[in-house]
Amino acid sequence: SAVISQKPSRDICQRGTSLTIQCQVDSQVTMMFWYRQQPGQSLTLIATANQGSEATYESGFVIDKFPISRPNLTFSTLTVSNMSPEDSSIYLCSVDGDLNTEAFFGQGTRLTVV
Amino acid sequence: AQSVTQPDIHITVSEGASLELRCNYSYGATPYLFWYVQSPGQGLQLLLKYFSGDTLVQGIKGFEAEFKRSQSSFNLRKPSVHWSDAAEYFCAVGGQAGTALIFGKGTTLSVSS
Repeated sequence: SAVISQKPSRDICQRGTSLTIQCQVDSQVTMMFWYRQQPGQSLTLIATANQGSEATYESGFVIDKFPISRPNLTFSTLTVSNMSPEDSSIYLCSVDGDLNTEAFFGQGTRLTVV
Repeated sequence: AQSVTQPDIHITVSEGASLELRCNYSYGATPYLFWYVQSPGQGLQLLLKYFSGDTLVQGIKGFEAEFKRSQSSFNLRKPSVHWSDAAEYFCAVGGQAGTALIFGKGTTLSVSS
């Protein structure tokens, strides 16, 4: 199994500012995934982060708004840039288990933009 | 297109009654199927998963799910619901390692006394 530490757990931010969310895994993983869960909604994949290469973004998400870093096999960051109230969501980091036995999730970052 | 459909947005069951939450999927490759539960303000907890083999899988907290390939379904069941089961339930499908999960919109379960 994998244990994921995500920071911060929650934050309240002013519109127009940026927030960087950190995701630390206790083992080396190839792929890390970032999801967004808007209030009362399901999880939507933002991007897939592979160490050593640019992140792959899903339709509707762009690098300028959600830049991602993946400096090594145990760590990734997601930045939410130039925030607006519409960015208020829970952001979750996830990794695969071995052979995709399951996906492990961090506890999420609850972001409120005011 | 790959997708997961949970037809029931909200279900209310009486404590002690049986429960079935529906999930249908569309996936181009061999599907790996999951059910997650999310309590208010909490993270996602894996209830059970199906990769291959026996189509009836047992999970935690007394939950089980049955994979029916012909119906593209993976319904979650519990014979007797407890008040603590009230939560949001998500069905998800994935593929080989390195592919992200696709989630359904979720079903909110309320338990009445």
